[in-house]
Amino acid sequence: ETVMTQSPVTLSVSPGNRATLSCRASQSVSRNLAWYRQKPGQAPRLLIYGASTRATGVPVRFSGSGSGTEFTLTISSLQSEDFAVYYCQQYYNWPQTFGQGTKVEIK
Amino acid sequence: QVQMVQSGAEVKIPGSSVKVSCWASGGTFTSYAISWLRQAPGQGLEWMGGIIPVAGTVNYAPKFQGGLTITADDSTSTAYMELSSLKSQDTAVYYCAKSLGGSYRLDALDIWGQGTTVTVSS
Repeated sequence: ETVMTQSPVTLSVSPGNRATLSCRASQSVSRNLAWYRQKPGQAPRLLIYGASTRATGVPVRFSGSGSGTEFTLTISSLQSEDFAVYYCQQYYNWPQTFGQGTKVEIK
Repeated sequence: QVQMVQSGAEVKIPGSSVKVSCWASGGTFTSYAISWLRQAPGQGLEWMGGIIPVAGTVNYAPKFQGGLTITADDSTSTAYMELSSLKSQDTAVYYCAKSLGGSYRLDALDIWGQGTTVTVSS
């Protein structure tokens, strides 16, 4: 199966600053890549699909890029609700798989 | 907009089975595809399988072949996930989620249930 590797494991950022998260696939997933944000005790929320398309209602401060095996999620100006865990998911190769997550914490 | 609502927490003994339900509140499944996933304590997300309720077609991840049964009742817009021969390693939060594009095998997941905690302990 396709292994998704996220880096870093933990990212410390000050509110209002930019955060850049990475996701690497063990084989090409084309642009079939999604990003989710999960707050403690809550279900994940879809942020980005198709590598760069924002889901309905997602603020413009979230942007995604990449294709093939290398992907990036950028949060332009971190808000309080953005301190959470972020997961990438590939849905190109069966079975779909997730990365282990990047925790974004307050610096 | 439709919301996915799941049944309540379960405590099970090793070797038993658990059945979790998920229904559409404020709408119907229509042509949706529904996936089931789990998240062990402090761990990441794991896709278990998916179903198209209106068609009854089901797909299971290799790891869960044999021990997992996913079904659905389209008339009540309810999907079910039954896991048998439970072990302590099956302790997790189980989620249902709707597929964005309608695939029950490979898709982004845009609407999630609130999660159901299943604890397996003797």
